[in-house]
Amino acid sequence: AQSVTQLDSQVPVFEEAPVELRCNYSSSVSVYLFWYVQYPNQGLQLLLKYLSGSTLVESINGFEAEFNKSQTSFHLRKPSVHISDTAEYFCAVGRINFNKFYFGSGTKLNVKP
Amino acid sequence: EAQVTQNPRYLITVTGKKLTVTCSQNMNHEYMSWYRQDPGLGLRQIYYSMNVEVTDKGDVPEGYKVSRKEKRNFPLILESPSPNQTSLYFCASSYSGTTADTQYFGPGTRLTVL
Repeated sequence: AQSVTQLDSQVPVFEEAPVELRCNYSSSVSVYLFWYVQYPNQGLQLLLKYLSGSTLVESINGFEAEFNKSQTSFHLRKPSVHISDTAEYFCAVGRINFNKFYFGSGTKLNVKP
Repeated sequence: EAQVTQNPRYLITVTGKKLTVTCSQNMNHEYMSWYRQDPGLGLRQIYYSMNVEVTDKGDVPEGYKVSRKEKRNFPLILESPSPNQTSLYFCASSYSGTTADTQYFGPGTRLTVL
């Protein structure tokens, strides 16, 4: 079975500091990788995704994630966070040629002034 | 506006009383799915549907039923709810069944079973 591990359940950080949210997955087959963000009292929305090609993918609001096949990781980074980035972030995996998705347990990013 | 809607948003019920949570999307998406979100466990897939009349189990289907009679609707049915089904439920849809597609999530339904 597919598993997605987000080791950090909570990450407190000060505004304008850099942050990295870690995601590792277990799979012996090819996968698509996603980061979703959930703001308080809302549903999830896509932040960015890796399908193929360049291993570094970026979002419109300054986040980036790098696919590392050898380490089966897809860590999310931002060089300078804002208060508005406070949310819960979920890493997700979709196995190619299958119809199921697997989510990590989530990381709550708390940006402090 | 393209969206996924769920009703009700909040529901408190008692053990054994059948309930249905509705989900509707207006994007003509083929793929729809139900998840439950529990603290420390993230989202777990309950059921998904590739198209009308095509449904399949996710990772935690026990105690749930679904149907897909119309492309836009994908209701989640709990025929005999139990307290361990207390959770936050999300419906999601995507354009096709490929896992490369972005999923669009509804606002969630918070269910409490007493």
